[in-house]
Amino acid sequence: EAQVTQNPRYLITVTGKKLTVTCSQNMNHEYMSWYRQDPGLGLRQIYYSMNVEVTDKGDVPEGYKVSRKEKRNFPLILESPSPNQTSLYFCASSRKDSNQPQHFGDGTRLSIL
Amino acid sequence: AQSVAQPEDQVNVAEGNPLTVKCTYSVSGNPYLFWYVQYPNRGLQFLLKYITGDNLVKGSYGFEAEFNKSQTSFHLKKPSALVSDSALYFCAVRDRDSSYKLIFGSGTRLLVRP
Repeated sequence: EAQVTQNPRYLITVTGKKLTVTCSQNMNHEYMSWYRQDPGLGLRQIYYSMNVEVTDKGDVPEGYKVSRKEKRNFPLILESPSPNQTSLYFCASSRKDSNQPQHFGDGTRLSIL
Repeated sequence: AQSVAQPEDQVNVAEGNPLTVKCTYSVSGNPYLFWYVQYPNRGLQFLLKYITGDNLVKGSYGFEAEFNKSQTSFHLKKPSALVSDSALYFCAVRDRDSSYKLIFGSGTRLLVRP
């Protein structure tokens, strides 16, 4: 089954404790992206990647890092999480053509205390 | 600046009645337009897209959307709503001439009452 898998689905942690949210897709997609969803704001793009070793900032990259060492994986790293990063996070992937729809994971709800 | 507006936070409709969820955009050039639906505790699911051609686009679950270039709108429609259509709907726009940035609206919650 074609899917985007995120882990963990839920995480409660404390300020300053480094964490990584993993994202993996099995569709051989070139393009991958991370979003955060906040009430009233829709989805805002954090980072995206056009292919292996190619990443670029979205609208809200501050406080986040990503890497794309393999085509299927695109982890999101919070080096020193803060409470304003409490949010619902989604990973998505698609084929490289910009008219292609994105496939989304089921989300990761992060609470930073 | 590029933006997408969904002017209604919530749309209420009775089952069997037609529904419309509104979306307007501000993007330079000719954009690609998308609608996604989100059910509770799930990621977004693709409904339909407009690339070029016919202004009326048909998608999944009986949904369709009408592209209006002069009004820069891409409203989502369905002739007969179902209770199971109740969900959060997002309009999204991508400028085909720029990077692969996808811009989302703030979302509209659709509530279909029996």
